[in-house]
Amino acid sequence: EVQLVESGGGLVQPGESLRLSCAASGFTFSTDWIHWVRQAPGKGLVWVSLINTDGRITFYADSVKGRLTVSRDNAKNTVYLQMNSLRAEDTALYYCARGERGSLLHWGQGALVTVSS
Amino acid sequence: DIVMTQSPLSLPVTLGQPASISCRSSQSLVHGDGTTYLSWFQQRPGQSPRRLIYKVSNGDSGVPERFSGSGSGTDFTLKISRVEPEDVGVYYCMQGTQWPWTFGQGTRVEIK
Repeated sequence: EVQLVESGGGLVQPGESLRLSCAASGFTFSTDWIHWVRQAPGKGLVWVSLINTDGRITFYADSVKGRLTVSRDNAKNTVYLQMNSLRAEDTALYYCARGERGSLLHWGQGALVTVSS
Repeated sequence: DIVMTQSPLSLPVTLGQPASISCRSSQSLVHGDGTTYLSWFQQRPGQSPRRLIYKVSNGDSGVPERFSGSGSGTDFTLKISRVEPEDVGVYYCMQGTQWPWTFGQGTRVEIK
């Protein structure tokens, strides 16, 4: 069974940092791209970032470019999302998702990030 | 960025009746490789999104046959042939043709 489990969410103040993890199992992790998608409370889905199989290719939405960094450790079947200089508008449920060409195949349960003073 | 526009945003339906959701893109979703990367996702209350349809009309494993996708170019549709109670939730279209990938605003399906 494919599983993606996010962790590391929490409450932080504006300007602080947080690192999310996405632990994968049930598929050959090293051959798949992994995406991050976020959903602000009561709002829709917004694509945030992706990382390719070996970590050399990453893309970011303009709204997070320069503040979020995605990385992966294929030996641990884990993707990380380092979030710096967090803002109130970054408050959201962050999902990691297994990608395939042009789509998102499986999703995790999400990690809640709340940025508030 | 490609803008995805869904309609309606709210869809009250009667159990056993059909339902249809429209998704329009601001540009053609035909990729240079000739494939149209348009997917549909279902998000039930309190749950993560689940993919129903990929590449316009391909149903995912385990998705009931009452769900179907159609369309081309910039105009796409998700149809539910007969709505059942477990279909309540929000449905999103998403384009994976051009970066950044973008979602529609979502359509909330509820039972009348």
